Amino acid sequence: QVQLVESGGGVVQPGRSLTLSCAVSGFTFSDYGMHWVRQAPGKGLEWMAVIWYDGSNTYYGDSVKGRFAFSRDNSRNMVHLQMNNLRAEDTAIYYCARDAGRGGRFIPDYWGQGVLVTVSS
Amino acid sequence: DIQMTQSPSALSASVGDRVVITCRASQYIGSHLNWYQQRPGKAPKLLIYSASSLQDGVSSRFSGSGSGTDFTFIISRLQPEDFATYYCQQGYSNTITFGQGTRVEIK
Repeated sequence: QVQLVESGGGVVQPGRSLTLSCAVSGFTFSDYGMHWVRQAPGKGLEWMAVIWYDGSNTYYGDSVKGRFAFSRDNSRNMVHLQMNNLRAEDTAIYYCARDAGRGGRFIPDYWGQGVLVTVSS
Repeated sequence: DIQMTQSPSALSASVGDRVVITCRASQYIGSHLNWYQQRPGKAPKLLIYSASSLQDGVSSRFSGSGSGTDFTFIISRLQPEDFATYYCQQGYSNTITFGQGTRVEIK
């Protein structure tokens, strides 16, 4: 079955960097785009970024554009989210999710369980 | 960015009730509209995609309709496991946006 498992969360100071990872299984990873979506405590869902099945395209939400970088390693069935210059408002549960297509369908159909990132001094 | 507005933000209903949630886009999005359920402490789950298509394995008591800018999500007969928060999401532009969510509570 489709499984996505995020890792790399924790507590980080403002201005520092952190990298999240998501390991996937149960499907042909190199055929699907991937997303990151976050949820601040008690708040709604905020889409972060998408990456195409082959890494050829990435798009970012305005709140993280220029600070976060989304990459994938199709040889290891993993995606990574490099988060730089973190701010208190980046505190959230971060979910990775599979796109229903190669990236451009923009339908996150399977989600991981999420990983908590807390930005605090 | 395309803004998505859900209504209502919260509602109280009883088991067996019919529940209707609406979602309006700030501009035309065709049928690029998806609906998710999120139970407390859990990841979102895709229920409806492309406005009206039922995701595999999802109960047929969930349905969606609409196109353009106005969309409707219906739970035909509310079950105890349906008490959750529901989100609409547009996939028309290269930057996805979600509605603010509708919390369905037990009356």
